[in-house]
Amino acid sequence: DAGVIQSPRHEVTEMGQEVTLRCKPISGHDYLFWYRQTMMRGLELLIYFNNNVPIDDSGMPEDRFSAKMPNASFSTLKIQPSEPRDSAVYFCASSRFTGAKNIQYFGAGTRLSVL
Amino acid sequence: GENVEQHPSTLSVQEGDSAVIKCTYSDSASNYFPWYKQELGKRPQLIIDIRSNVGEKKDQRIAVTLNKTAKHFSLHITETQPEDSAVYFCAASDMNRDDKIIFGKGTRLHILP
Repeated sequence: DAGVIQSPRHEVTEMGQEVTLRCKPISGHDYLFWYRQTMMRGLELLIYFNNNVPIDDSGMPEDRFSAKMPNASFSTLKIQPSEPRDSAVYFCASSRFTGAKNIQYFGAGTRLSVL
Repeated sequence: GENVEQHPSTLSVQEGDSAVIKCTYSDSASNYFPWYKQELGKRPQLIIDIRSNVGEKKDQRIAVTLNKTAKHFSLHITETQPEDSAVYFCAASDMNRDDKIIFGKGTRLHILP
């Protein structure tokens, strides 16, 4: 398997624009996580899905952020409208939870810069 | 929910010496404690994990210890090498759901030549 695939790798946009980040999880994994990484706040969990259903979105900062998982092989994180403080690296991760382990495999991340 | 504190935020050690990173967690019901390593510009990757029914686990030069009573767990790296330079994140499973983990803020480890 190619691992978790994220696109784009880099995104530069202007304040007020819509941004869509994409993620393809590892085949067979039933969990998908979206994280945001900044120097100040570290790795923050934004939302996660189990079998395509959102389980916990308590980390989503505000209504400008939304996430979907229409099928087992694709998820999007959308920011509309974007603001400079949204600048960060956004990681997607997937896992197959066995009850004993929950090893999360991360994608390469999307570095977002909002000007 | 779970809260994970990690110390120190930055650590510099001479090559060949040992490094220790410490974490505390808030919820006594947490039972899974993974550690992730993130090299510069790369993605986080799991390096070792421990469950609450085990007090210590070792894998070559790295080991993790867990003190459930004190709600502390630590990462120990012995005989450090340049390739150990990275950011290390501890994590603990959330009180309500084992499938959710909460990360500490990370420790940037520098191995000095």
